[in-house]
Amino acid sequence: SQQGEEDPQALSIQEGENATMNCSYKTSINNLQWYRQNSGRGLVHLILIRSNEREKHSGRLRVTLDTSKKSSSLLITASRAADTASYFCVGGSQGNLIFGKGTKLSVKP
Amino acid sequence: EAGVVQSPRYKIIEKKQPVAFWCNPISGHNTLYWYRQNLGQGPELLIRYENEEAVDDSQLPKDRFSAERLKGVDSTLKIQPAELGDSAVYLCASSPSRAGVNTGELFFGEGSRLTVL
Repeated sequence: SQQGEEDPQALSIQEGENATMNCSYKTSINNLQWYRQNSGRGLVHLILIRSNEREKHSGRLRVTLDTSKKSSSLLITASRAADTASYFCVGGSQGNLIFGKGTKLSVKP
Repeated sequence: EAGVVQSPRYKIIEKKQPVAFWCNPISGHNTLYWYRQNLGQGPELLIRYENEEAVDDSQLPKDRFSAERLKGVDSTLKIQPAELGDSAVYLCASSPSRAGVNTGELFFGEGSRLTVL
């Protein structure tokens, strides 16, 4: 099983600013995934980065992966109020996907 | 394409009553998960199915919780009897493969919010 631990636990920024969230995990993974959860909703998959990749982009999202440090970061550029949500990372391998507590992002208009 | 469908969305019961949640995964997804999410926390895995087989139920409180996935499609999660501490959101997710082996992406339903009074 793989667990993701997100940092910081909470982040508050102004609209237009960039938001950076970090993630650490404990053992070997095949991929690292980020999910978003809006209040009262289910989780939505944002992006997956494979263990042999170092950086990946998707729209305003940029994910990095450092397997030597067992860490990943998610950067959201030019944030919008609609980005307000909780963000979770999770490492995928042969077992289950175990989620951490997430980073709660608040983007103020 | 329809997503993961869960019902009911909300359920309020008194303690010691039974409750059941239903999940219809995305067509063709052989892996199904039930998670429980408490307020302000991440989802906590309860059980994982590969087709109709429960391959990991180590976190399922078996004294009061049960789950089934007949024919490897729909699944139900039951709590009997419910306790105050069971108040949470119960999330169902499905994946076209065992997590992490292929795409690894999980598709979540909107969840069933349980309140036990």
